[in-house]
Parts: sequence; structure tokens; C-alpha cells
Amino acid sequence: GENVEQHPSTLSVQEGDSAVIKCTYSDSASNYFPWYKQELGKGPQLIIDIRSNVGEKKDQRIAVTLNKTAKHFSLHITETQPEDSAVYFCAASKAERASGTYKYIFGTGTRLKVLA
Amino acid sequence: SAVISQKPSRDICQRGTSLTIQCQVDSQVTMMFWYRQQPGQSLTLIATANQGSEATYESGFVIDKFPISRPNLTFSTLTVSNMSPEDSSIYLCSVLDRTGGYTFGSGTRLTVV
Repeated sequence: GENVEQHPSTLSVQEGDSAVIKCTYSDSASNYFPWYKQELGKGPQLIIDIRSNVGEKKDQRIAVTLNKTAKHFSLHITETQPEDSAVYFCAASKAERASGTYKYIFGTGTRLKVLA
Repeated sequence: SAVISQKPSRDICQRGTSLTIQCQVDSQVTMMFWYRQQPGQSLTLIATANQGSEATYESGFVIDKFPISRPNLTFSTLTVSNMSPEDSSIYLCSVLDRTGGYTFGSGTRLTVV
């Protein structure tokens, strides 16, 4: 089955610097890769996603890149702010034939601290 | 995206007892899921809650321990039965909403003493 590895487990950056979180996956059939942000005491919130037919996607200060050949994808946050501090989870998924929905396999999470 | 209300937000329970967690969605959704997030760890899918039929459980999770109900398209419950300290986790409800993405509730933080 699918296995998703995420690095680093913790990351501290100075406010204004960039942060990069990397994930690798094992199932070459995976074709959808969302990123979630989880703040303390809250559920995960989708912040950006990418499908396998796209190499890069950007939304303001957040971007995701995908390398299908190497089976890895990365989250890039530029001009970090204290409110970016949270735990970030990547996931890899593919459509389940029976239900037509995606079953997610989550990475182990990265705790990002943005230092003011 | 769908708005999920999950109750309770947290609870402290005695070992051997059971706790039922409720998940209410503000719109009808096809797919509802229950996840477990152990302290400092990632999210693990427990089961898919099927409306009108038995839930579909993932490997390592069984109905006797985690019975699930889904009486309609906006509501589901997860019961954690015969609890032990190892069941201390955050339990999350998730739905597949109309945008095609997954939305999570705010979670139930369970501590078993």
C-alpha cells in the first residue's frame, strides 16, 4: 500500500524567511496531493493541493511542486509570518475504484515555528 | 466547503467506559469518515461511515471497538468502547464536500484515565 514520508518533523524559521516541507510517496498510481494546516486545538484545514497532471501550483505565499518521476512533492511558504506557525500534513491519494472517492494516506506532519 | 460541528470537543473518561462522539454537517454529504490522531502523530483513517448500512473499517479497526452510526446524510456518530489509556487520541470527523475536497471537524480530544 501507499506510504508517505514527510520531512522535517520540526522546522523553525525567522519571520520573513521561506519554509520548505518535503514529502515522498511510494505508490506511483497516486494522483492527488493535498496539504493541510492544523492549528492548535483545531482540525486540519486544506491550504493547497496539486494533481498529478500539474508540476507546480501557487496561491499567494504558498506553492506546491510535484516531481512524479521521483515521487516527491514539496510545500513552499514564502515571507513567513507568525500566524503560519502550525503543524502541516501532506497526503497522497488516488481514486478508489469502488467508491470513486479518494482515500488519503497522510504524512507524519511538520511542526513549523515562525520566530518573530 | 461544508461546515462540521463535532461534539464533545474534549472529554476525560474512566477506563472501561464508552464515549460517543457526534458529527453534524451543515449540508448533505455523500461520504463521511472518522480519523484518529494519536498524540504528536499523523491522521489514521478508522472507517468510512455509510448511510443506511454498516461502516467500512480499515485494517486494525473493528466494529465492536468503534461502532459507527450514520442515520442520514448530515449526521454520524463514533463510539469508542471499553476504553483504555491507549485510546487517548484526537478523533476527527471528515466529509467529502461538494468541491471534491475533504473537510475536517475540529476534533474530539479524548483522555482515558
